[in-house]
Amino acid sequence: EIVLTQSPDFQSVTPKEKVTITCRASQSIGSSLHWYQQKPDQSPKLLIKYASQSFSGVPSRFSGSGSGTDFTLTINSLEAEDAATYYCHQSSSLPQTFGQGTKVEIK
Amino acid sequence: QVQLVQSGSELKKPGASVKVSCKASGYTFTSYAMNWVRQAPGQGLEWMGWINTNTGNPTYAQGFTGRFVFSLDTSVSTAYLQISSLKAEDTAVYYCARGVDAFDIWGQGTMVTVSS
Repeated sequence: EIVLTQSPDFQSVTPKEKVTITCRASQSIGSSLHWYQQKPDQSPKLLIKYASQSFSGVPSRFSGSGSGTDFTLTINSLEAEDAATYYCHQSSSLPQTFGQGTKVEIK
Repeated sequence: QVQLVQSGSELKKPGASVKVSCKASGYTFTSYAMNWVRQAPGQGLEWMGWINTNTGNPTYAQGFTGRFVFSLDTSVSTAYLQISSLKAEDTAVYYCARGVDAFDIWGQGTMVTVSS
């Protein structure tokens, strides 16, 4: 099973600040890495697919990069509505797995 | 619009069974795989497995074999998750999610509470 490790687990950020979340895979997964945002009491929403492709309707301040084992989700100029938990997810091999999540709080 | 609508919350006693439904609309149901994802209270996301909506063939993640069954009724564009012999540790929100790789559409989630 491929283990995805996100860092940090928690981040408290002021509005307009830049946020960087990393996701490290226990083995190479190519670009089969996807990012989701989950707000309290809501279902997850796809932000980035295949490491760097923005999903339709997602604000341009969200971007992704990386390949192989190391990936990054970047939120440029954080807005209050971005307070959420962010998860990475790999679909390279079964079982598909998720990272443990990174909670982003607005200061 | 494209959406997945799940059945409502369930309260069950230990040992009982539950069947969660996930009705798709706005797209061709058999064109996309359907996944099931569990989220225990205050915890992260856990992939339970997926079902091929063309063939009905299910694939279960380790830890979700035996008591968990994925099924379909393509005539009503609906996927089902059945859990038998419920235990307290099955208490969670269960999501259906469309896709083979990235999960682009999610249901709203179904809370299943197992308590005596």
